[in-house]
This record gives sequence, C-alpha cells and structure tokens, in this order.
Amino acid sequence: RKEVEQDPGPFNVPEGATVAFNCTYSNSASQSFFWYRQDCRKEPKLLMSVYSSGNEDGRFTAQLNRASQYISLLIRDSKLSDSATYLCVVGRGGSYIPTFGRGTSLIVHP
Amino acid sequence: DTGVSQDPRHKITKRGQNVTFRCDPISEHNRLYWYRQTLGQGPEFLTYFQNEAQLEKSRLLSDRFSAERPKGSFSTLEIQRTEQGDSAMYLCASSLGTGNQETQYFGPGTRLLVL
Repeated sequence: RKEVEQDPGPFNVPEGATVAFNCTYSNSASQSFFWYRQDCRKEPKLLMSVYSSGNEDGRFTAQLNRASQYISLLIRDSKLSDSATYLCVVGRGGSYIPTFGRGTSLIVHP
Repeated sequence: DTGVSQDPRHKITKRGQNVTFRCDPISEHNRLYWYRQTLGQGPEFLTYFQNEAQLEKSRLLSDRFSAERPKGSFSTLEIQRTEQGDSAMYLCASSLGTGNQETQYFGPGTRLLVL
C-alpha cells in the first residue's frame, strides 16, 4: 500500500460546482498535512496547510480525519482558474521529509 | 526575484553522459530538498540538506546520484552515467526550518531528457 494515496481523476466539473477530493495516508504517526496545487508543467505551490480542527481559506476547506487517516479538500463555487492538479502531502512525525501523493487532476469547464 | 531558482531549466543529454543541476534557494532558508517527478506522479523525495549537512537520502538515490550544498547556500545535483530512466523533472525546494508544519517553496524545476 502506498504511503499517500489519491484518486488521480480527472474530475470534470462545471463552473460554480462544489468538488471534494480525499487523500488517505498509511502512517498513523504522520504529523503534518498539506494541500499543494500544481499547474501543468509548473512547480507545486502550497495551497493550504491542514490542521486538526480543519481550516478554511475562502472557497477552500481542508479537513483532517485522524481516525480514518484521510484528509480532504473541498472547493466551492469552482472557477476555470481552479483547473490544476492537487497534491496531498503528508509529513512523518519527527521527520522533515514530506511524502507527496500522485495528485488529483481537476478540470473546470464553462 | 527572491524565489527558488534552478539552472538549467531544460537539459537534453545522451545516455552515459554526466549532468549537473544547480539550485539556489531562498536566501534565509536553511533546508533544501531535491525531488524527482515523472508524468502523472507526485514529486518523489531524493535528498535533503539542513544548512550544509546532507541529513537524509532516499533509496531512490542510486550511487550514480550525488548532491552537495558546500556552503549551506546553493546546491548541486549530479547524475553520472545517465540512463533513459533518469528522464524526469528534477525539483528543488527550500524551507525555513522552524518545525514540522513548514512550507516548502519550489523552484521551476530542471527537465531532463536522456536519449
């Protein structure tokens, strides 16, 4: 089983839709969690950190479920510019080395 | 531009040749990471420096790969005797190490094609 698993998609949604991605992780000792965004042929950029209590940044909401070992990303009111690959990143406890998922591709169409 | 920079941005080489990539991190960042990314996959960790010390290397990093960060600033990644399977995007990232919940800032990457 991979350390971090994501559905590669693509998720095809119309503008204005709400879309959610999940990411599961295998190491119960994982301590830090992030969502990064990667545009085609560009470098990954931090979208948001994921905190135990969940957090929201505008149209984006991230949740952590430690019992089931997954994190989620919810995007409300999708924009064309949200089209990208969303990478789930998990950091091991006591280590600064993060593990990236393979990413979930989102395509928002008019 | 004070972000992470990488050079070259693209490299085409023949199998068996050696290549070297450079990464200049954000100046105050003490941690520097190298990753490799292939199409349809997320970045895979290769190695990590804290200041000039190389603290961890992935099992992916064969003997043909070596990385240095001699003065704790820029870093180089060298691949000797390149193979076609080395073709990938090589990403460098840096961070200001203040704990586990730290943001990594990525450079634009070096895209390597081995013919």
